[in-house]
Amino acid sequence: GQQVMQIPQYQHVQEGEDFTTYCNSSTTLSNIQWYKQRPGGHPVFLIQLVKSGEVKKQKRLTFQFGEAKKNSSLHITATQTTDVGTYFCAGQWGNKLVFGAGTILRVKS
Amino acid sequence: GAVVSQHPSWVICKSGTSVKIECRSLDFQATTMFWYRQFPKQSLMLMATSNEGSKATYEQGVEKDKFLINHASLTLSTLTVTSAHPEDSSFYICSARQATEAFFGQGTRLTVV
Repeated sequence: GQQVMQIPQYQHVQEGEDFTTYCNSSTTLSNIQWYKQRPGGHPVFLIQLVKSGEVKKQKRLTFQFGEAKKNSSLHITATQTTDVGTYFCAGQWGNKLVFGAGTILRVKS
Repeated sequence: GAVVSQHPSWVICKSGTSVKIECRSLDFQATTMFWYRQFPKQSLMLMATSNEGSKATYEQGVEKDKFLINHASLTLSTLTVTSAHPEDSSFYICSARQATEAFFGQGTRLTVV
């Protein structure tokens, strides 16, 4: 079945440091989406990438979609304590959205 | 953005009883809704795709007789956990898509004792 691998599982950074999480699929994706989930909360949509090689930015967040549409990354520049949470990528095949394992981000102030 | 409301937020039930969870799209119509299950510190696992007016599509390994899904209207899907057991304790989340974006309910934390 469709699977999305996401690494790292966990990252603890000092406030101001950068953070990156990576997702990889064995098959070509229709699109990839990124979500953030705060502890005790539900996933909140961040962005969707559709085009091969696409790069999108949201303030300090940069999202990339690989040329082969099989991998993606989320990079946060100069992390802040408000960035804490779990970041999930989700690959879409047809109507189905399959989530990666998520990367838990902790930020030390 | 669109709002998906899920109820109840949390429920504790006795082993052997059934629990119904509701998922409503408040300001849009959703012909398709998705049910996920999330264990602590783990990812969301797609359980089933709920289709309005037809049978749900279950993922491999999900017992359709145990997790009954009904999508009777364009704004409501329900998940019933039948004869619940402690191993069914989990966080259940529904999702509905509007255009390209998926919106999630608040989730239901089910504890079976």
